[in-house]
Amino acid sequence: KQEVTQIPAALSVPEGENLVLNCSFTDSAIYNLQWFRQDPGKGLTSLLLIQSSQREQTSGRLNASLDKSSGRSTLYIAASQPGDSATYLCAVSGDYKLSFGAGTTVTVRA
Amino acid sequence: DGGITQSPKYLFRKEGQNVTLSCEQNLNHDAMYWYRQDPGQGLRLIYYSQIVNDFQKGDIAEGYSVSREKKESFPLTVTSAQKNPTAFYLCASTRTGGSGTEAFFGQGTRLTVV
Repeated sequence: KQEVTQIPAALSVPEGENLVLNCSFTDSAIYNLQWFRQDPGKGLTSLLLIQSSQREQTSGRLNASLDKSSGRSTLYIAASQPGDSATYLCAVSGDYKLSFGAGTTVTVRA
Repeated sequence: DGGITQSPKYLFRKEGQNVTLSCEQNLNHDAMYWYRQDPGQGLRLIYYSQIVNDFQKGDIAEGYSVSREKKESFPLTVTSAQKNPTAFYLCASTRTGGSGTEAFFGQGTRLTVV
């Protein structure tokens, strides 16, 4: 059974600092890994999708890396802003479903 | 705009009552999913459907039922057999099932037992 872990569970940083969010998974047989953002009481917004054959994916201030062999992904958010405050979830795609971590809740202090 | 619409946003259920959560997508996706989210936990899969008129149980299907009569619709019924239904329910879709295409989510329905 796929287990996905996100550490730390919560993170507080001053505005302008770079954010580093970690995701680890136990079964390397994945199709892809997806990072999501969730605001309180809202649904999930897809940030980045990394296919299993890719090493990284970038979108604006966001960069995600994938090391499938070691079962790790890292989401980097450059020059954080208060609007980046949210919960960030990673999910790995198996045969028919996504397996999710519990998320990292980020607070960016102005 | 293409997307997934869940309704209602908030739902209250009395003891012993069945309630149905709606999920509609206009993305022309084949596969649809229902997840449950509890505080401090990752999302858990309830049911999924890879094609019309077919659906499969996920990890926590007990006390729930679904139907998939139309490609764009995947309603979830929370039955009285579900003993702890208070949670945030999220519907998702992917272009195809089982191939790892990008997942899109609705805005969720918060269900509370009163």
